[in-house]
Amino acid sequence: DAGVIQSPRHEVTEMGQEVTLRCKPISGHDYLFWYRQTMMRGLELLIYFNNNVPIDDSGMPEDRFSAKMPNASFSTLKIQPSEPRDSAVYFCASSPELGAGRLNEQFFGPGTRLTVL
Amino acid sequence: SQKIEQNSEALNIQEGKTATLTCNYTNYSPAYLQWYRQDPGRGPVFLLLIRENEKEKRKERLKVTFDTTLKQSLFHITASQPADSATYLCALGGGGFKTIFGAGTRLFVKA
Repeated sequence: DAGVIQSPRHEVTEMGQEVTLRCKPISGHDYLFWYRQTMMRGLELLIYFNNNVPIDDSGMPEDRFSAKMPNASFSTLKIQPSEPRDSAVYFCASSPELGAGRLNEQFFGPGTRLTVL
Repeated sequence: SQKIEQNSEALNIQEGKTATLTCNYTNYSPAYLQWYRQDPGRGPVFLLLIRENEKEKRKERLKVTFDTTLKQSLFHITASQPADSATYLCALGGGGFKTIFGAGTRLFVKA
């Protein structure tokens, strides 16, 4: 299995531009998570999906951020317009199942390093 | 608000010694606690899970304790090796399957 795939691995853009980050979860995983990691705030959960349906988006910082999961094998995180404070590493993770008695293990992708100038 | 604290300072130890990392939390009653390892430029990798009704969990050279009264978890790596050098994150999980991560502790093991 190739694991969670994210693209691009690096993105440099200018303030005000639209940024789209992509994620392909591990096949058969029902849960997909988007995280943002910075030195100041650590790893923050932005949103997660179960069977392609957004369950909790309370971590999405503001309306400039949106996420979609049109099918079980693809998800996007979009920032429009982007700002310098959005610079961070964005991780996508997937999990086969969650619940009592489970390991609730999340499998992380390699991340996308976003720099907004 | 919920808060997780891990040693903000890096931990430097000699090869062969036991490394002990601390995770403290407040304003939260997690159903379980996880530990992940993160290497530079990579995503976190799951290591262990311990549930609220468990005191200790072991896996090879790793040992995790969980004290819900103290609201603290300790993560031990025995017979540490330079390859154990990484950042270790603790994560709390509970209702709604939402996971909250700590900022991590950097561990350096010197040969």
